[in-house]
Order: sequence, then structure tokens, then C-alpha cells
Amino acid sequence: QVQLQESGPGLVKPSETLSLICTVSGGSISSYYWSWIRQPPGKALEWIGYIFYTGSTNYNPSLKRRVTISVDTSKSQFSLKLTSVTAADTAVYYCARGGVILEWLSHFDYWGQGSLVTVSS
Amino acid sequence: DIRMTQSPSTLSASVGDRVTITCRASQSIINRLAWYQQKPGKAPRLLIYKVTTLQSGVPSRFSGSGSGTEFTLTISSLQPDDFATYYCQQYNSDSPLTFGPGTKVEIK
Repeated sequence: QVQLQESGPGLVKPSETLSLICTVSGGSISSYYWSWIRQPPGKALEWIGYIFYTGSTNYNPSLKRRVTISVDTSKSQFSLKLTSVTAADTAVYYCARGGVILEWLSHFDYWGQGSLVTVSS
Repeated sequence: DIRMTQSPSTLSASVGDRVTITCRASQSIINRLAWYQQKPGKAPRLLIYKVTTLQSGVPSRFSGSGSGTEFTLTISSLQPDDFATYYCQQYNSDSPLTFGPGTKVEIK
């Protein structure tokens, strides 16, 4: 059974960089696209971006200037960096797997439990 | 962007009711639509993908239909475990991938 687990600081100061890691277990990180998705408190889901195990990425245009997603296949991990954060970036951040092998246009079949990141001084 | 809308935003229903949630896309997404269930404090759970395909382990009382720009999620007989928020998601375009605003199904 594939499992995803987010990790990282729960509190980030305004203007600083939010950093999260997603560790994949129970399956290979190869051959799938891996996404970050966030959900502000009480609001809907917002896709942030995805990465393929080769390092190929695509980002939500609304966040593209501030987002970097990278992958470390040796550790079965992929990570998120979001720069210049504000209170509007306060959200639960989820990592998720694209549900169709080798396909970037996909639903999400496995999700992490989520990591609440609060932006506050 | 492909904008997704859902109706209603909140739905009050009783156990045993047949429930239908509608999702509309701002342009055709062919059949690239998924539905998720989310309970408070939990990650979304994939219910249906490619409009009608039930994810493994999802009860058969859930079903999906539609094509192009209009889609529906139906719960044939609402169970206590089904009270949750439901989101649709389009994956016909990744510029960006987008979700609907959600429909909360609450107890009447």
C-alpha cells in the first residue's frame, strides 16, 4: 500500500520560505507524477504543482514565481519550497500521487495526511 | 484556467436519501473528471475518476455521470458515513489542474 507523509515546520514567518518534504513508502517514486496541493482553513483545494521522477515539473501559474518542487529518488522523497510567504499561504499542505502511470493529466489516488503550515510572526 | 463550479454548496439530507451533486466546467473537459470525499481534519479520498470509474474499495452506492461540461455525483442511499464535503477535479488541462469549491452534505 502506497503511503505518503509530509514533514516540515508548522510555523513560518512572513517573507520567509516554506519548506516541506513528502516521503513515499510502499511503492516506487518512479513512473508517477507527484503533486503538492494546499487547502486554506475552511476553503477549497488548490493544486500547487507536480514533479516527475526525472525532475520535470509544472506549476500553477498563480504560484509559479514563488514555487520550486524537487525530487530525491534515492530517498523516495519530493519537496516543496514556497518563497516570500504571507498569511494567505497559511494552509494544510498535502502531497499526492497522480493516479495514472506516466500521465501528468491525472486524478490523485494517494494522499498524505496533510501538514498545517501557519504563516505568522 | 478551467473554472469548476459545484451546486449546491450545501445539501441537507437524511439517511437513505438519494443525493445528487452537480459539477460544471467552464469549458469541455471531455471525461477527465474526478470526485473526492473529505471529512473534517482528513485528506481527500478519491471516489470516482474518468467520470464513472469507481476507485477500488468505494461502495457501489456512489456513481458518476456526465460529459463535456456537466457532471453529477450520485449517492443512491445516503449512509451515516457519507456526511462530508465533496469536491470535483478536472484533469483535462494542467494549466492548472483545478478543483471545484466543494459541496457539504450535512444531516437534515
